[in-house]
Amino acid sequence: GEDVEQSLFLSVREGDSSVINCTYTDSSSTYLYWYKQEPGAGLQLLTYIFSNMDMKQDQRLTVLLNKKDKHLSLRIADTQTGDSAIYFCADSTLTFGKGTMLLVSP
Amino acid sequence: EPEVTQTPSHQVTQMGQEVILRCVPISNHLYFYWYRQILGQKVEFLVSFYNNEISEKSEIFDDQFSVERPDGSNFTLKIRSTKLEDSAMYFCASSSRPGQGDTQYFGPGTRLTVL
Repeated sequence: GEDVEQSLFLSVREGDSSVINCTYTDSSSTYLYWYKQEPGAGLQLLTYIFSNMDMKQDQRLTVLLNKKDKHLSLRIADTQTGDSAIYFCADSTLTFGKGTMLLVSP
Repeated sequence: EPEVTQTPSHQVTQMGQEVILRCVPISNHLYFYWYRQILGQKVEFLVSFYNNEISEKSEIFDDQFSVERPDGSNFTLKIRSTKLEDSAMYFCASSSRPGQGDTQYFGPGTRLTVL
């Protein structure tokens, strides 16, 4: 079946940029998603990108898509302590990665 | 802002017992989903439901699982005879349109612990 892989852990200092990477196998995915999960909470859709785009910016979030390499990244500018959470990448069929835990230290 | 709610937040049960996990989707949504996340593993799709029937299910969703929309507001997941490996976080989601994650809203989850 299709698969989505992502790094498991990222630690940054407040104010730095964070980059979370993801690779996927489903080349037919028309949408790719980033979800955020805060402790004890559900999955919150952060942003998504359509497969015919290579970049999407939404305030502090920038999504980059390399369709040839099936690589997706999420950049968070000026990372804040409130950004500490688990970030999930998902493809069009909502096959999720294992999640990347982002820890932001003051 | 409308939200998906789930009850209970935590359910502890003995192996072999039946459990029902409850979800109240967003009121004008028509498509409903269940996912599960075993601790430390990926979020996995279980089933989607539309127009009072299952529209898609994964291989995880075997005969032990069933879903129901018993009234106009609730959407339930029943596990008939729980196994230890059913211990997981179960997320309900709803959407107004199918197949597009930008409209899938997730609930906070129910943590199921099977002893």
